[in-house]
Amino acid sequence: EAGVAQSPRYKIIEKRQSVAFWCNPISGHATLYWYQQILGQGPKLLIQFQNNGVVDDSQLPKDRFSAERLKGVDSTLKIQPAKLEDSAVYLCASSLGGTGYMNTEAFFGQGTRLTVV
Amino acid sequence: AQSVTQLDSQVPVFEEAPVELRCNYSSSVSVYLFWYVQYPNQGLQLLLKYLSGSTLVKGINGFEAEFNKSQTSFHLRKPSVHISDTAEYFCAVSDWSGAQKLVFGQGTRLTINP
Repeated sequence: EAGVAQSPRYKIIEKRQSVAFWCNPISGHATLYWYQQILGQGPKLLIQFQNNGVVDDSQLPKDRFSAERLKGVDSTLKIQPAKLEDSAVYLCASSLGGTGYMNTEAFFGQGTRLTVV
Repeated sequence: AQSVTQLDSQVPVFEEAPVELRCNYSSSVSVYLFWYVQYPNQGLQLLLKYLSGSTLVKGINGFEAEFNKSQTSFHLRKPSVHISDTAEYFCAVSDWSGAQKLVFGQGTRLTINP
């Protein structure tokens, strides 16, 4: 079974530029998460989708970050314009979704390391 | 809302020695508890989880953890570590609601010295 795929693995941009990350979840997984992991910290949830609807985006800086999940499969996370403090690893995860824990165990991709200079 | 505190940011141990990584959580509702491992330049891999039942849970790579409700702790242990256990370890909690998003601690870097 293929895992969660993310691209690119690494990205370096200048501040005020825009950037986009892509995630392809495990086939059949209805729930998709984007996490931000700043160096030295644990991952922080940015946004959670159930199919193509948003479940939780309370910690997404909506003035510069946006995310979409068209057709309930792939997802893109965009930052525009980027700030120095956006330097982090962006992790995508997916789960089956639905009730009961076994449907919600999250599987993580390898992440995209963003450096803003 | 839930929160997780990992009491040690770094833990150095010698190979074949035992290790304990400490985790305390705070929540007003019942929770699930997890330990994840992150190797350099990799994503997170689930080590073990506590859902209900026996408070001692066993995971992959010889790790185990014990849930202590009265002390709100979920410490991770391994009786004998190997060089390959060098990694970052994250404790996480999620509540029993439908969303079940994970809240992570800040991580503990485990370094194994030969």
